[in-house]
Amino acid sequence: DTGVSQNPRHKITKRGQNVTFRCDPISEHNRLYWYRQTLGQGPEFLTYFQNEAQLEKSRLLSDRFSAERPKGSFSTLEIQRTEQGDSAMYLCASSFNRRDRPYGYTFGSGTRLTVV
Amino acid sequence: AQKITQTQPGMFVQEKEAVTLDCTYDTSDQSYGLFWYKQPSSGEMIFLIYQGSYDEQNATEGRYSLNFQKARKSANLVISASQLGDSAMYFCAMREGAIQGAQKLVFGQGTRLTINP
Repeated sequence: DTGVSQNPRHKITKRGQNVTFRCDPISEHNRLYWYRQTLGQGPEFLTYFQNEAQLEKSRLLSDRFSAERPKGSFSTLEIQRTEQGDSAMYLCASSFNRRDRPYGYTFGSGTRLTVV
Repeated sequence: AQKITQTQPGMFVQEKEAVTLDCTYDTSDQSYGLFWYKQPSSGEMIFLIYQGSYDEQNATEGRYSLNFQKARKSANLVISASQLGDSAMYFCAMREGAIQGAQKLVFGQGTRLTINP
């Protein structure tokens, strides 16, 4: 169990550029989540995958955002035509649905995006 | 409607004292789970403690305990014998629905805890 890994840790980009983040979940976890956290706020749910299927998307996820999880392993979150309002910490989490481990929900260290 | 409310934006406590961080929640589900996470300045979300809605005993994990009052819909975190390393943001979160469901979490706005030497 090496934890949830996110890359890069920090990303600075110019407004209008595209960015892509990667998340590698804990290998035995079949669920993967993306959250966004703006300064001074708690994380907000963006989307989640069960295996390779994207089962739910928040209305926060505009059409400039796309997430994939090919083969049900790692996931990518892409933001096209970035805006300054996209500046935030993007957190990935993974979990499994075992009744005996309801707290099996692990976050990565996040990718901090700054749009200048 | 806000589902998780943390009314204390900041708390200042002397080292070795106990501290209670407040959390109230709102749900119509019978099955739900409540989490507390710690977020140091480095940004990672560190799981502290979990309470299921059907759990009869209050959860405890080392120096952390959760004061679960279901009728009042509160799930306060108690940290005993605080340490300087406890200084961080603390988030209360709720998972609505059964474990087999989506498991997405709704977070409060957090409480910044500062431990003074």
